[in-house]
Amino acid sequence: DTAVSQTPKYLVTQMGNDKSIKCEQNLGHDTMYWYKQDSKKFLKIMFSYNNKELIINETVPNRFSPKSPDKAHLNLHINSLELGDSAVYFCASSPGTLYEQYFGPGTRLTVT
Amino acid sequence: GQNIDQPTEMTATEGAIVQINCTYQTSGFNGLFWYQQHAGEAPTFLSYNVLDGLEEKGRFSSFLSRSKGYSYLLLKELQMKDSASYLCAVLMDSNYQLIWGAGTKLIIKP
Repeated sequence: DTAVSQTPKYLVTQMGNDKSIKCEQNLGHDTMYWYKQDSKKFLKIMFSYNNKELIINETVPNRFSPKSPDKAHLNLHINSLELGDSAVYFCASSPGTLYEQYFGPGTRLTVT
Repeated sequence: GQNIDQPTEMTATEGAIVQINCTYQTSGFNGLFWYQQHAGEAPTFLSYNVLDGLEEKGRFSSFLSRSKGYSYLLLKELQMKDSASYLCAVLMDSNYQLIWGAGTKLIIKP
């Protein structure tokens, strides 16, 4: 029944490690997003995919790499994790770029 | 650069009315969204304004003035469950990217 799901919900790891966050939506939406929400609560777009094609790629370190195997999935892989990567990462989807976005529950990443 | 301003925090009383303002200066505009975010949870969609004027949806209404770069969210008959952060976001017409404000934390007191 969950519309947009993310795994894991919590992720605690050490600096230098590589980790992945998975996102799936069962709403039949064409567009998916990754956001980072820092401790000051600003939501910043990282990536957006439309029909599996990258349409937004904001200035994020190239240690972050999105991958969309199909329209329903958008995963985020992070290499060489740094302390500053600690944040909540939200996946979202929408029927298209002009519509409201539906957010997943978030993944709280803590890098120690 | 793009700039969206909202008050950091507001306090209101249960049963009352509160207006949360949002002003924006952006290089493009294709609409303005309001989202609600409870602590520790994901943002959820409240409203979307493209044209000037007031959009009413139950206890919540949202207003937009494009010429003034201004929007507000009006919450009526406040309930304790309305305690949350309210995020204003502008949809850019160049790349359809959402630019987000920092959010207004609304505290409801009995």
